[in-house]
Amino acid sequence: GAVVSQHPSRVICKSGTSVKIECRSLDFQATTMFWYRQFPKQSLMLMATSNEGSKATYEQGVEKDKFLINHASLTLSTLTVTSAHPEDSSFYICSARGGSGTDTQYFGPGTRLTVL
Amino acid sequence: QKEVEQNSGPLSVPEGAIASLNCTYSDRGSQSFFWYRQYSGKSPELIMSIYSNGDKEDGRFTAQLNKASQYVSLLIRDSQPSDSATYLCAVPPPGNQFYFGTGTSLTVIP
Repeated sequence: GAVVSQHPSRVICKSGTSVKIECRSLDFQATTMFWYRQFPKQSLMLMATSNEGSKATYEQGVEKDKFLINHASLTLSTLTVTSAHPEDSSFYICSARGGSGTDTQYFGPGTRLTVL
Repeated sequence: QKEVEQNSGPLSVPEGAIASLNCTYSDRGSQSFFWYRQYSGKSPELIMSIYSNGDKEDGRFTAQLNKASQYVSLLIRDSQPSDSATYLCAVPPPGNQFYFGTGTSLTVIP
């Protein structure tokens, strides 16, 4: 149990385009979902926290207008990177909380974004 | 002060030895503690959770929690090369946040 999926696993796009990443909790209802970004050889950086049906809470320094987060249901959250630029190239990972252990976070497999 | 602190390493141990990973945290209100493992290029996976003072064992892994001293550790017995990864400590304080340490890089040398 407690499986989280992400789609796509890898995406390459041109500079200036927008990319949408989906995060789904497959076998539990996720009351909270988190979005992280990780650059090579660096630690996880929390971007935002989202609760179903409410606006996401963004970490300091993360542009809410650039990284649009929608958490429309208890099993789906999306992250849209708008007008992507090469510096947005990174490994984006979502996680979900609300499974068997209320504090436990389960991670999706991640999405590797490359902006040309 | 960071909410969760870990020695970034790298930590190297020979195959078959015990690897000891440590984590300290600042919020005394924290009630749950987690260890995740992250292989290079992959997302973190949950190894263990611990909620009470003392030891919790799961196979070759033992988590140790001392709330009075505000530390949690992970012991890996009979370390294998496949254990080589970055280990992340996570300590969510009451509320919605979830803080990770920066991770300790472990290399098990065959």
